Amino acid sequence: AQTVTQSQPEMSVQEAETVTLSCTYDTSESDYYLFWYKQPPSRQMILVIRQEAYKQQNATENRFSVNFQKAAKSFSLKISDSQLGDAAMYFCAYKGYNAGNMLTFGGGTRLMVKP
Amino acid sequence: DVKVTQSSRYLVKRTGEKVFLECVQDMDHENMFWYRQDPGLGLRLIYFSYDVKMKEKGDIPEGYSVSREKKERFSLILESASTNQTSMYLCAIKPRDGSYNSPLHFGNGTRLTVT
Repeated sequence: AQTVTQSQPEMSVQEAETVTLSCTYDTSESDYYLFWYKQPPSRQMILVIRQEAYKQQNATENRFSVNFQKAAKSFSLKISDSQLGDAAMYFCAYKGYNAGNMLTFGGGTRLMVKP
Repeated sequence: DVKVTQSSRYLVKRTGEKVFLECVQDMDHENMFWYRQDPGLGLRLIYFSYDVKMKEKGDIPEGYSVSREKKERFSLILESASTNQTSMYLCAIKPRDGSYNSPLHFGNGTRLTVT
């Protein structure tokens, strides 16, 4: 079974600075998808960014980017120019190509942003 | 916009009670999911449904059942609530947009406390 590990239960960053959240996963599959979700205090989980494993280029969405290292099975999220609204729980998730609709989530990282 | 509505934001129930958690979507999406979220464990899949009256067990189905009599409504049932079922419960749907890696859309969660 696949596992997803987020080794940082909590992180903090100064407003306008850059922070990187770590995620590693364990799989024997070669084709899969990776996601970062954000859960603000409102509890509404929203997709931040996603990456297909067959793509070598790292995904980028405005201030959010990933560092995808397939050989190391690592999928970190970088947030640039951090804003107060970035404060939230962040979850890394994995979906195997043949997994249907089954997502495996990591334990989450709580990000605090200091003004 | 996809809308996923969970009927209760907070619930307090007694041990042994039968508990119903309701989730309603406003479009004709087939795939619906129930997750529970616990600190340090992330989100774990309880059950999912890919159509009316169809259901599949997730990773932690024990102690739960589900019902999907109409496409728009997916209910999670705790037949006899226990204190270890105190948790945050999240409903999600996977929109039918033809994309295999399309993200899940979540409700705002129901925080259930069993005393």
